[in-house]
Order: sequence, then structure tokens, then C-alpha cells
Amino acid sequence: AQSVTQLGSHVSVSEGALVLLRCNYSSSVPPYLFWYVQYPNQGLQLLLKYTSAATLVKGINGFEAEFKKSETSFHLTKPSAHMSDAAEYFCAVTLSNDYKLSFGAGTTVTVRA
Amino acid sequence: EAGVAQSPRYKIIEKRQSVAFWCNPISGHATLYWYQQILGQGPKLLIQFQNNGVVDDSQLPKDRFSAERLKGVDSTLKIQPAKLEDSAVYLCASSLGGESTYNEQFFGPGTRLTVL
Repeated sequence: AQSVTQLGSHVSVSEGALVLLRCNYSSSVPPYLFWYVQYPNQGLQLLLKYTSAATLVKGINGFEAEFKKSETSFHLTKPSAHMSDAAEYFCAVTLSNDYKLSFGAGTTVTVRA
Repeated sequence: EAGVAQSPRYKIIEKRQSVAFWCNPISGHATLYWYQQILGQGPKLLIQFQNNGVVDDSQLPKDRFSAERLKGVDSTLKIQPAKLEDSAVYLCASSLGGESTYNEQFFGPGTRLTVL
């Protein structure tokens, strides 16, 4: 069965600083990987996805993630944090043959002025 | 394009009472999902429908939870009787469906259930 582990339940960054959220996956077959963002009292919104094409994936709002098979990682980054990036971020994995999402526990990002 | 609609947004009930949540997916989406998101955890899939048939309900506590998707459009998730540990946000999502390619899931705003 596939799973993801998000390192760090809470990350605090200064406005303008680098945002780095860590995600490691476990899968016996090539996975599809996703990052979702959840703002307070809202549903999940897809930030970006990796589906076996380019290993560096660019998403919305200036976020990107790199798939590293050797490290079984799919870390999310944004060069310069904005106040509007304060939210909860979830990494998720699905196998290419069943499309059922398994989510990590989430990382809450706060942005300091 | 209208998104996934859910109601109610908030619900507070006493334990052992029953409750129902409603979801209206994006028009034309064949696949519908219900997730349970407990505070501090990621969403967990409860049940997946393809049109009006159940594809996966392996994580649904069938002794108290039930779900239906009549006519392959709207869906209702019911809990009867509720327990304290059912306090969570219940998310509905939909996707185009199909087995040959991954289809993005679009999420509704969720229903926050508090069981006292």
C-alpha cells in the first residue's frame, strides 16, 4: 500500500523567505504525487501534481516541487513567502492503477510579517 | 463552472443522534468521493462512487455510516447513531472519472460536524 509522510506539522516563515515543505512517499509501483492547499473553512485545492512526466513540477501561486525517486521525496518549495500563503498543505499519493488518494497528516504554514 | 456544493456547512449534535450530509458534484462528473478529515490529520477516503455504483467502501464504518448516490448525481452521507469520535470535517469531492487516466479531484468546502 502507498503512503506519504510529511515532516513537520507546523512551519513558520518570514514574509519573503523560502518556504520548504517536506514529503516522503512509500510506494511499490510508480506513484502519482500531489500537493494540495487548504485555507481555513475551505476545501482542498490542487497546487500541483507529478504524473511521471517532468520531475520538476510547477504549480499555482509560485509553488514548485521536485520528484526525486532515489530519495522517495516530493518536497514543495516557494522562493518568497507571501502572507496569503498561510494555510495547511497536504501531500498525497496515488498509484497509477487505482487513482485512490492517500494523504499525509498536513503541514500548517504561518507567515510572519 | 460551479464547484462542488455541500450542506450544511456546520452541524452540532448530541452523541447517539443521527445526521445527514448532502453533496452536489460538478456537473458531468461521474466519480464522487466522501472523505473524513479529523483535526490534525489528512483526509481519509470513506466511500467512492462511480455514477450510482459503489467502487470502494472498505473504510466506511458500515455499522453506523451509510451513503447513497441516487441517479448518479447528488449524494447523501448519513451517520446513525453518532459517536464522539465522529467529530470531523466531511469532505465531498468529484472527478470526471474513467479508468484510463488520472482525473483531478475537486473538493467541496466540507461539513464540520461536532458531536457532544
